[in-house]
Amino acid sequence: GENVEQHPSTLSVQEGDSAVIKCTYSDSASNYFPWYKQELGKRPQLIIDIRSNVGEKKDQRIAVTLNKTAKHFSLHITETQPEDSAVYFCAAKNLGGADGLTFGKGTHLIIQP
Amino acid sequence: IAGITQAPTSQILAAGRRMTLRCTQDMRHNAMYWYRQDLGLGLRLIHYSNTAGTTGKGEVPDGYSVSRANTDDFPLTLASAVPSQTSVYFCASSREGTGADTGELFFGEGSRLTVL
Repeated sequence: GENVEQHPSTLSVQEGDSAVIKCTYSDSASNYFPWYKQELGKRPQLIIDIRSNVGEKKDQRIAVTLNKTAKHFSLHITETQPEDSAVYFCAAKNLGGADGLTFGKGTHLIIQP
Repeated sequence: IAGITQAPTSQILAAGRRMTLRCTQDMRHNAMYWYRQDLGLGLRLIHYSNTAGTTGKGEVPDGYSVSRANTDDFPLTLASAVPSQTSVYFCASSREGTGADTGELFFGEGSRLTVL
């Protein structure tokens, strides 16, 4: 099955700086790569996703890049703000497959004021 | 719009007891899932169901069972709870298997279970 590795486990950045979280996946059949944000005590919520037919996608201050050859994808957050503090999960799946998303272990992003 | 409702929100349970976590969705999604979340381990899939009447095993199915009698409900049962099943359990659903599948999972609020 799919295996997703995520780094770093904890990331602390100054407010206003950029944050980058990286993930690798193992199954070349995976074609859908979402990122979820989970605030303390809340449910995970989708913030951005990318499919294997594109290399980059942006939505305001967040962007995701995908390198299918190397089997890795990254989340970029620019101009970080206190409300960006949360745990972020990457995930992967084959949209034509039967089971659910395989998640990375998560990155705790801390925005220092 | 309720989305996905889980119950109970929190429960403390003695080891060896039977427990069922309930999950109901009103979005008419085909697929439903149960994940457990543990610190440092992320979200791990326990069981899933692609449509009513079918279920499948995920990454960590041992000690858990599910049923999918209809589209809306997907209960998770611990037949004889053990302390290692202490976790936060999330139910989720998606449009997988339909022409409208975007891949997105919609999560419930979670059920915090403590087994003593």
